[in-house]
Amino acid sequence: AQRVTQPEKLLSVFKGAPVELKCNYSYSGSPELFWYVQYSRQRLQLLLRHISRESIKGFTADLNKGETSFHLKKPFAQEEDSAMYYCASQGAQKLVFGQGTRLTINP
Amino acid sequence: GAGVSQSPSNKVTEKGKDVELRCDPISGHTALYWYRQSLGQGLEFLIYFQGNSAPDKSGLPSDRFSAERTGGSVSTLTIQRTQQEDSAVYLCASSLDRPLVAPDNEQFFGPGTRLTVL
Repeated sequence: AQRVTQPEKLLSVFKGAPVELKCNYSYSGSPELFWYVQYSRQRLQLLLRHISRESIKGFTADLNKGETSFHLKKPFAQEEDSAMYYCASQGAQKLVFGQGTRLTINP
Repeated sequence: GAGVSQSPSNKVTEKGKDVELRCDPISGHTALYWYRQSLGQGLEFLIYFQGNSAPDKSGLPSDRFSAERTGGSVSTLTIQRTQQEDSAVYLCASSLDRPLVAPDNEQFFGPGTRLTVL
């Protein structure tokens, strides 16, 4: 069965520090992986997908098939990055979300 | 164009009452998902509709929960005999849902319905 694990429920870093939100997936095939974000009082929305190999708001995520990981990284955190982040995986069927990590950037 | 809409935005009900939550997906989106977002619990999958296929109900927590999607568009999530533990934000999302065909599988979320069971 498809499963996505985000081991950290809460993550707090200082402004300007590097950020890494961990995500591991389990799927026997080649899933498509995503990061979704929910800012305060806003809708949950797509942040980035691995297939696009893009950087959004300074965030990047690299798919590591050997470690079955898709960690989200940003070299210098900003206060506006404070939000709830969800990793998600889609194989042949429905999209599966992790439990989410609440990121807080301290000034 | 209009995004996913949900109604009501807030619902307060008494324990034991039935409630209906509505979702209007983006026109043309074949896939529709319901999730529950509880404080400290993350995003919990409830049910998934894809076109004319039988829905995936594997996430429904009990038989008090049911959902239907009429005409492949609007969906209603019904919770019977509500309990206090049903209090949460219920999110709906839709997508074109063609797996591995980016960007068609991006999910677009509604604003949610905040349910409070007293």
